[in-house]
Amino acid sequence: AQRVTQPEKLLSVFKGAPVELKCNYSYSGSPELFWYVQYSRQRLQLLLRHISRESIKGFTADLNKGETSFHLKKPFAQEEDSAMYYCALKTGGYNKLIFGAGTRLAVHP
Amino acid sequence: GAVVSQHPSWVICKSGTSVKIECRSLDFQATTMFWYRQFPKQSLMLMATSNEGSKATYEQGVEKDKFLINHASLTLSTLTVTSAHPEDSSFYICSATDSPGYNEQFFGPGTRLTVL
Repeated sequence: AQRVTQPEKLLSVFKGAPVELKCNYSYSGSPELFWYVQYSRQRLQLLLRHISRESIKGFTADLNKGETSFHLKKPFAQEEDSAMYYCALKTGGYNKLIFGAGTRLAVHP
Repeated sequence: GAVVSQHPSWVICKSGTSVKIECRSLDFQATTMFWYRQFPKQSLMLMATSNEGSKATYEQGVEKDKFLINHASLTLSTLTVTSAHPEDSSFYICSATDSPGYNEQFFGPGTRLTVL
């Protein structure tokens, strides 16, 4: 079965602390994974995708096929990082996305 | 670029009536649009995939006769909730992509539907 699991509903950290938002997936094919972010009162937007191997706003995510994980990391959290983060798995030929339940990141001053 | 709009942003209707929600790609041609449903404090659940000029593909458990989707042009898709009931109250979000092979979906701001 195709599934994306984000085990933490809420991750609360202080400014400057490292952050890791966990994402595990279940997919029989070759996975394409994404992280989307939703800031307060804004629409969902793409943060990064694993095929790009890029760092956006200091965030990185590495696909680990052995552990079927795609955890999102940032070494030093900022208050403006506070948002809802969704991990998503692309399936099918039409960019169909399966989303995880989301993790709310709260960065405190 | 790559802006997706939805109209209305919120709607309140009486039980038994039908409600139409529009999703538009403002600056690109959307070959594929997606409709999602999001309950409070829950994730987005894909309802259907809509390709311009063809019938929508519905996800398992989604009633196609209740949630009518029309993708008549490359910039517009509509979702009509027919005979709405209170349990249909939710946040409906659309997204669009300009190519089947393109990886990024661009999301609309969502429409909050409340059925009394």
